[in-house]
Amino acid sequence: EDQVTQSPEALRLQEGESSSLNCSYTVSGLRGLFWYRQDPGKGPEFLFTLYSAGEEKEKERLKATLTKKESFLHITAPKPEDSATYLCAAHTGGFKTIFGAGTRLFVKA
Amino acid sequence: DAGVIQSPRHEVTEMGQEVTLRCKPISGHDYLFWYRQTMMRGLELLIYFNNNVPIDDSGMPEDRFSAKMPNASFSTLKIQPSEPRDSAVYFCASSEPSGHQNTEAFFGQGTRLTVV
Repeated sequence: EDQVTQSPEALRLQEGESSSLNCSYTVSGLRGLFWYRQDPGKGPEFLFTLYSAGEEKEKERLKATLTKKESFLHITAPKPEDSATYLCAAHTGGFKTIFGAGTRLFVKA
Repeated sequence: DAGVIQSPRHEVTEMGQEVTLRCKPISGHDYLFWYRQTMMRGLELLIYFNNNVPIDDSGMPEDRFSAKMPNASFSTLKIQPSEPRDSAVYFCASSEPSGHQNTEAFFGQGTRLTVV
């Protein structure tokens, strides 16, 4: 069965304290690994797409990486405005998408 | 473009009533998705359309749920009759595939449904 697992469930950081979020996936025919950010009361907002193992993408303080079994979202020197829930999602055949449960990130000033 | 527009933003209804959620995708997007989000189960894909045609409805939980897309700019998700366990936030999203690779989905603000 296709599955996407994110860890940790919640992460509390001090401002400037770098860390990483994990997304492990077991899917047949991965066609893309997506990262989204979701703020309370809003829909998920796209961050990155990764298509093949070894690929990396960066945006401001965020960097996403992909291996054959997992993806990491690295957050460098986070700020309070980075507080949100981060979701990863695996696109499989037929454009079907499987989302992980998310990691709730809290960054304290 | 104003993005994906959903209505209503909030809906409170009594058990047994019919509920209709509405979505206007981004103009030019070929794919439309309906998701349900709960604390227990996270974000679940219910159904998706391509060029107004339902492609995969395997995520629709029961026959009480139905979705339509009569044209490229409008879709509905209907629950009849509604039950308290249907309470959740329902998201609509649209995307435009790029060649053989998927592009990202753009989500609406969601409809928070409460069935009492």
